Amino acid sequence: DADVTQTPRNRITKTGKRIMLECSQTKGHDRMYWYRQDPGLGLRLIYYSFDVKDINKGEISDGYSVSRQAQAKFSLSLESAIPNQTALYFCATSARPRSTRTDTQYFGPGTRLTVL
Amino acid sequence: DQQVKQNSPSLSVQEGRISILNCDYTNSMFDYFLWYKKYPAEGPTFLISISSIKDKNEDGRFTVFLNKSAKHLSLHIVPSQPGDSAVYFCAATNTNAGKSTFGDGTTLTVKP
Repeated sequence: DADVTQTPRNRITKTGKRIMLECSQTKGHDRMYWYRQDPGLGLRLIYYSFDVKDINKGEISDGYSVSRQAQAKFSLSLESAIPNQTALYFCATSARPRSTRTDTQYFGPGTRLTVL
Repeated sequence: DQQVKQNSPSLSVQEGRISILNCDYTNSMFDYFLWYKKYPAEGPTFLISISSIKDKNEDGRFTVFLNKSAKHLSLHIVPSQPGDSAVYFCAATNTNAGKSTFGDGTTLTVKP
């Protein structure tokens, strides 16, 4: 079973609709992240959360909101989808660094979102 | 301004030869660097990392080199195999900030 799951895997929607992408993890990690990837580009950080009560904006948070419902769940919402939000969305998790450094992130399989 | 750059969008090598993927960064606050590998229809997976206190880290066929003065790192794959064909992302982390900045990726094709 996958450690980081994302639902849905694919979604086609229309401009102006509200969309929620969900992420769940069984790794027991404190930290969770949402990224988007556009063709030919890298991963850009939308929002991140270091624990349930901590939410932070990333470099491209405009037009998005998030909810950290539990340690294992982190949802991304598009309140009113627009075509330039068509992209591949990835959720990731990482452990809180302790005595040994670990900044490794573990990614879900991605959600392909198309906004018409 | 892009803080992490992978200037080669693609690289093609013959099976058995060395693949060298490059990455440059501009932020001197980055202190930990990672390489991720991504196959189509999958999320990126961690490959290898290096701390800023080191200049080399090796794991099997994969070696990452860090040149702090040049703000440059590279990933060497020897020997390259067709299964290595994927997109490779370089990522740089400021440990205090707790988040990574990614390059745009290099698509590696290893020809049999």
